Amino acid sequence: DAKTTQPTSMDCAEGRAANLPCNHSTISGNEYVYWYRQIHSQGPQYIIHGLKNNETNEMASLIITEDRKSSTLILPHATLRDTAVYYCIVRKVGGTSYGKLTFGQGTILTVHP
Amino acid sequence: SQTIHQWPATLVQPVGSPLSLECTVEGTSNPNLYWYRQAAGRGLQLLFYSVGIGQISSEVPQNLSASRPQDRQFILSSKKLLLSDSGFYLCAWSVNEYQPQHFGDGTRLSIL
Repeated sequence: DAKTTQPTSMDCAEGRAANLPCNHSTISGNEYVYWYRQIHSQGPQYIIHGLKNNETNEMASLIITEDRKSSTLILPHATLRDTAVYYCIVRKVGGTSYGKLTFGQGTILTVHP
Repeated sequence: SQTIHQWPATLVQPVGSPLSLECTVEGTSNPNLYWYRQAAGRGLQLLFYSVGIGQISSEVPQNLSASRPQDRQFILSSKKLLLSDSGFYLCAWSVNEYQPQHFGDGTRLSIL
């Protein structure tokens, strides 16, 4: 599976947009970009995923560059409850991978009042 | 809607004792099931996954085993726990390999 690179930590003011970058320069054609977050002492929560088109749901937006080598997760109006570790994951589907997720260290997002 | 349950939430066990962690999913049938472990200060590591009853695949060699006795039940076991087995154990499910995985609240295991 392709490896991802994320900043170790980021800060954001409450009410502002949080833009979390992720590099995945070795991504393959059959690999999706997934985002999860983990609030302290809880299981990871699925946020959003995409292949090559930009995606939006009730939680966030995902912007994937045209060459698919990087992406940005956008939380449009961050709240204190969005403070968490955010994981960018490249997930292979098909073949013998069975859709397994490989988690890296993620980005610690801290939202300040 | 689908829900996933893990228990217990926390567990303290002595070295050398057996282990059994249980995970069940409701509201779906024939899900893919996964066991992950998160050691302190580290990312999640996939331990086992299952695509059907009795079908278990292991990702890393270790002191643990998994079983799927029923369609929506996934069990993580050990005959003799080691200190290195301490960690946060998470169960996850997905409809199939193409859909997102959804995680339970985890079991925090401490080995003394």
